[in-house]
Amino acid sequence: AQSVTQPDIHITVSEGASLELRCNYSYGATPYLFWYVQSPGQGLQLLLKYFSGDTLVQGIKGFEAEFKRSQSSFNLRKPSVHWSDAAEYFCAVGGSYGQNFVFGPGTRLSVLP
Amino acid sequence: EAGVVQSPRYKIIEKKQPVAFWCNPISGHNTLYWYLQNLGQGPELLIRYENEEAVDDSQLPKDRFSAERLKGVDSTLKIQPAELGDSAVYLCASSLDSTGEAFFGQGTRLTVV
Repeated sequence: AQSVTQPDIHITVSEGASLELRCNYSYGATPYLFWYVQSPGQGLQLLLKYFSGDTLVQGIKGFEAEFKRSQSSFNLRKPSVHWSDAAEYFCAVGGSYGQNFVFGPGTRLSVLP
Repeated sequence: EAGVVQSPRYKIIEKKQPVAFWCNPISGHNTLYWYLQNLGQGPELLIRYENEEAVDDSQLPKDRFSAERLKGVDSTLKIQPAELGDSAVYLCASSLDSTGEAFFGQGTRLTVV
């Protein structure tokens, strides 16, 4: 069964600083990988996804993520964080054979002014 | 196009009472998910439907939880009787098929007192 770990429970960065959120997955075949963001009291919004092809994927709100098969990682990055990026971020893995979406525990991002 | 619609948004009930949640997925989406999200944690799958068929309900506590998806469109999730530990956010999501990205509703926040 697939699984996802997000090693950082809480990260604090200053506005304008760069950001990297870590995600590691376990999956026996080609994974489909996703990053979702959840603001307080809101539903989950898809930031970006990786199915195949270019291992660097661009998403909304200036986010990007890089798939590294050798490291079983799919880290999320943003070059300059805005105060509005403060939220909970979830990495998720799905499968090409119809397996369920499995979410990581999430990383809470705080942004200092 | 409307997204995934869930109702109610909030529900407060006394323990041992029944409760039901309703989900209307995005039109044309064959796959429907119900997730449970506890505070500060990632969503955990309860059940996945492919059209009308529940293809994975292994995480659904069947002694008190039940779900149905009539005609392969709307779905309801029921708890009877509710326990204090059921207090959480219940999320519904849908996707075109089981390999695609999932779109989430706003969730129903259940409080059992």
